[in-house]
Amino acid sequence: GQQVMQIPQYQHVQEGEDFTTYCNSSTTLSNIQWYKQRPGGHPVFLIQLVKSGEVKKQKRLTFQFGEAKKNSSLHITATQTTDVGTYFCAGGGSQGNLIFGKGTKLSVKP
Amino acid sequence: SQTIHQWPATLVQPVGSPLSLECTVEGTSNPNLYWYRQAAGRGLQLLFYSVGIGQISSEVPQNLSASRPQDRQFILSSKKLLLSDSGFYLCAWSRDRRNQPQHFGDGTRLSIL
Repeated sequence: GQQVMQIPQYQHVQEGEDFTTYCNSSTTLSNIQWYKQRPGGHPVFLIQLVKSGEVKKQKRLTFQFGEAKKNSSLHITATQTTDVGTYFCAGGGSQGNLIFGKGTKLSVKP
Repeated sequence: SQTIHQWPATLVQPVGSPLSLECTVEGTSNPNLYWYRQAAGRGLQLLFYSVGIGQISSEVPQNLSASRPQDRQFILSSKKLLLSDSGFYLCAWSRDRRNQPQHFGDGTRLSIL
């Protein structure tokens, strides 16, 4: 079946450094969504990208959807300790379902 | 606004005991409903989803079952828990259209002894 691969699995950064996580699919996605799960919490929806090549920003977070709609990235500029958590991408599959990546766990050292 | 309630927050059960986790959604009608399991430090495993009352799709064969007795109620059950059933169980809802964002409950941490 359809799969969404997400890398890296873990990322440790110093506070103030940038962070990027990548999602890749072997098939075209109808849309890509990003979620954040704080330690001990539940995933929270951040954003949805639908158009080819779309770029959206939320403060220090920049989300991109590839031209072929098969990959996406989330970039955080100048990380803060509040950015700690696991970031999941979820691709829209051909059956109308969401396919979650395994997530990237971000830790930030003050 | 829509809210999702999931309980209990924490549960400790012996091996072989039954299980019932409940999830309810308020503020929307005919939502899609989902049960996920998350092992410690791992990704989300979709267990069941439902697009309507009495309609359940199972993604992973196991000793768990789900039911949707009412439009906004979703129940996860087991007759006999296994050690491998330990994990963080999350209920989620989305609007009844394709590829809609999912909104998660606070989850239930289940430990099997």
